[in-house]
Amino acid sequence: EAGVVQSPRYKIIEKKQPVAFWCNPISGHNTLYWYLQNLGQGPELLIRYENEEAVDDSQLPKDRFSAERLKGVDSTLKIQPAELGDSAVYLCASSLGAGGNNEQFFGPGTRLTVL
Amino acid sequence: GQQLNQSPQSMFIQEGEDVSMNCTSSSIFNTWLWYKQDPGEGPVLLIALYKAGELTSNGRLTAQFGITRKDSFLNISASIPSDVGIYFCAGQVFGNEKLTFGTGTRLTIIP
Repeated sequence: EAGVVQSPRYKIIEKKQPVAFWCNPISGHNTLYWYLQNLGQGPELLIRYENEEAVDDSQLPKDRFSAERLKGVDSTLKIQPAELGDSAVYLCASSLGAGGNNEQFFGPGTRLTVL
Repeated sequence: GQQLNQSPQSMFIQEGEDVSMNCTSSSIFNTWLWYKQDPGEGPVLLIALYKAGELTSNGRLTAQFGITRKDSFLNISASIPSDVGIYFCAGQVFGNEKLTFGTGTRLTIIP
């Protein structure tokens, strides 16, 4: 069974440019999470989706960050415009969702470097 | 955002040694989880704890859910080279899918 797929694995951009990350969760997983992991720290939740609905986006900086999961399967996280402080690893995770095993399975992440 | 306190921040041990690390929080959690993260990869779940005082093992790994619900401990016995990596604790409260992660403990094995 394929795990959580993320692309790209690495991205280098100049500040003020837009960037987008893509995530395909494990098949059948209704819940999808985007986490931010700064160097030397643990992941921090940005947004959680139950199917296509964003049920927790309280930690998402909405002035420059946006996310979508239009068909309740794969998801895109966007930053526009990127700032130097956005350099980090962006992790996607998925779980079965309500009523199922809530173990979160993580993808390998996208490492963003903003110059 | 909130990060749980993990100790020690890093460990340098020899192969075969036992390892102990802990995680503390200022607030109560109903579930404690321990993850391992290898370079360039996402965290992988090692052990989940659901009850205060619970002691759970997974091979050479043993974790405990603290009685106060504000701490958890992870022990690794007879370390091997593949144990190298960063270990994260995470806490979760009932009714909330959100995981609050610790700051991590980096384990290095000295040849």
